[in-house]
Amino acid sequence: TQLLEQSPQFLSIQEGENLTVYCNSSSVFSSLQWYRQEPGEGPVLLVTVVTGGEVKKLKRLTFQFGDARKDSSLHITAAQPGDTGLYLCAGARGNYGQNFVFGPGTRLSVLP
Amino acid sequence: SAVISQKPSRDICQRGTSLTIQCQVDSQVTMMFWYRQQPGQSLTLIATANQGSEATYESGFVIDKFPISRPNLTFSTLTVSNMSPEDSSIYLCSVEGGSNGRGTQYFGPGTRLTVL
Repeated sequence: TQLLEQSPQFLSIQEGENLTVYCNSSSVFSSLQWYRQEPGEGPVLLVTVVTGGEVKKLKRLTFQFGDARKDSSLHITAAQPGDTGLYLCAGARGNYGQNFVFGPGTRLSVLP
Repeated sequence: SAVISQKPSRDICQRGTSLTIQCQVDSQVTMMFWYRQQPGQSLTLIATANQGSEATYESGFVIDKFPISRPNLTFSTLTVSNMSPEDSSIYLCSVEGGSNGRGTQYFGPGTRLTVL
């Protein structure tokens, strides 16, 4: 059973376009993380959101945690080829790593 | 955040052999985790490595196949035993960090394993 769903699974866009990636679940999480993974590397943490309704901005990336702490979105403004990678959301159902669950990922390709 | 290194970064192995992957962290951490990422897939937790006690394995993973050591608070190893082509994956170690213990994980660069 996939506890976290991500959409879309694949996305190919032109440089300069905007995009939004969604992470949804029927479960409540104590926190939610977004990671980006490039080929041949481990996932790199982008942000952690903790409070329902929280919005965090990281340059061109905007992250939102749903009010009920069951879903999240990642919005990228004016995408660049350097944004290409696999975007993973992960939910923590407690304060310890063994309660982590990862979404299937969104593979983003930004074409120059 | 912690700095995590893994060895080897990649390996190609023959069926039936075993490979031990090392994970080193630049600071002392209570819990270390081992994940598997099969080609084109997301991450699946194999086990939690606790210092001073046996590792805790997730459903579908057993100690005989994936023995883990955790001799101190900065180091852990994962062995993939009696390998088959189905074990071809990226193996990642991670540690938990973040403020107030809020379940943020930091990952090593991964070990890309190919079994022929």
